[in-house]
Amino acid sequence: QQQVKQSPQSLIVQKGGIPIINCAYENTAFDYFPWYQQFPGKGPALLIAIRPDVSEKKEGRFTISFNKSAKQFSLHIMDSQPGDSATYFCAASKNDYKLSFGAGTTVTVRA
Amino acid sequence: SQTIHQWPATLVQPVGSPLSLECTVEGTSNPNLYWYRQAAGRGLQLLFYSVGIGQISSEVPQNLSASRPQDRQFILSSKKLLLSDSGFYLCAWMGRGPEKLFFGSGTQLSVL
Repeated sequence: QQQVKQSPQSLIVQKGGIPIINCAYENTAFDYFPWYQQFPGKGPALLIAIRPDVSEKKEGRFTISFNKSAKQFSLHIMDSQPGDSATYFCAASKNDYKLSFGAGTTVTVRA
Repeated sequence: SQTIHQWPATLVQPVGSPLSLECTVEGTSNPNLYWYRQAAGRGLQLLFYSVGIGQISSEVPQNLSASRPQDRQFILSSKKLLLSDSGFYLCAWMGRGPEKLFFGSGTQLSVL
């Protein structure tokens, strides 16, 4: 039973485009929503995270949008670059030291 | 600064052979430790986590086991590997406080 549903499974954009990855959850006890970035053959690394008391968070070209009532959150990559090509995972936690991960989205940015 | 070491990077094992993957963390004490598995093109599946020495919680019943003999050492084992055990195994640690998870570089296991 996957507690966090992530879509799409993969997407391709041109350089400068804005890939958008969406995640949805059911458990209203979740209070921490991170995104991880994984390059081939490497472990995932924390990219950006948000708590439900804010609706948006930006760090550089990465933005999380959070909709508490819809129980959805998304990652936008502004002005995407070929170096952003990676697999992105959303996750959620309810302060119990366990993260529930989405299935991942493979993003390809073409030059 | 904290670092996590995981080895080996790649491993090819025959079906029925034993397995031992080791993970160590430096620069922190009493971390939560985790083993995840990532099948090809799939998400991250939590296998085991540990909040202290000798304390192991299993998330998915399977052919694998975990042990934590020291505070910063986490070991994933199997007595007899199955073909379905193939995958990318990731060790991770989480410090006390915010739920920031830090992953190792992973072990690509192929069971043939």
